[in-house]
Amino acid sequence: LAKTTQPISMDSYEGQEVNITCSHNNIATNDYITWYQQFPSQGPRFIIQGYKTKVTNEVASLFIPADRKSSTLSLPRVSLSDTAVYYCLVDSNYQLIWGAGTKLIIKP
Amino acid sequence: DAGVTQSPTHLIKTRGQQVTLRCSPKSGHDTVSWYQQALGQGPQFIFQYYEEEERQRGNFPDRFSGHQFPNYSSELNVNALLLGDSALYLCASSLDRRMRDTQYFGPGTRLTVL
Repeated sequence: LAKTTQPISMDSYEGQEVNITCSHNNIATNDYITWYQQFPSQGPRFIIQGYKTKVTNEVASLFIPADRKSSTLSLPRVSLSDTAVYYCLVDSNYQLIWGAGTKLIIKP
Repeated sequence: DAGVTQSPTHLIKTRGQQVTLRCSPKSGHDTVSWYQQALGQGPQFIFQYYEEEERQRGNFPDRFSGHQFPNYSSELNVNALLLGDSALYLCASSLDRRMRDTQYFGPGTRLTVL
């Protein structure tokens, strides 16, 4: 099962672009990469999912290089409400493997 | 359209007791997964139910069991509670048990074992 590695925490400021990189060295050919956001005392919320190259939706972009051993979540122009824990997941064999996540703190 | 709902919100039990947590999936979803999230950690996959059967299981002992009903709702049962079972228990529903589709999470049940 593919495991993920993310920075434990990151700080940024309102209006900035934030990039969170996740390492998943033993990702399998058919595995997808998914990112979730979690606020305190709430369940995680889906942000974006991808397999290769680039995926963009209304809230984020996901960049996956050709070797797929890492991925980068990009949050454009963050606000204070983006302060949360962000999880990078790889779905392996019908299971989602969750790491400890990255605690993102946005400052005014 | 209600999202994923869980009950109860909070629960306090003592060691050795048994507990049942309940989950109603998002309308139209047929797959339910359960997760345990200890404080400061990411969710840990317990098991997944689809078509009223346990389809996948994480690294949890047999004290953790579940059930899915014909209306797709689900229960998580934990027997012989240990102090280490104190956690937030999350239920997630989806349309695709291969996890390709978005999982929608409920707010969780906070279980405290004394």
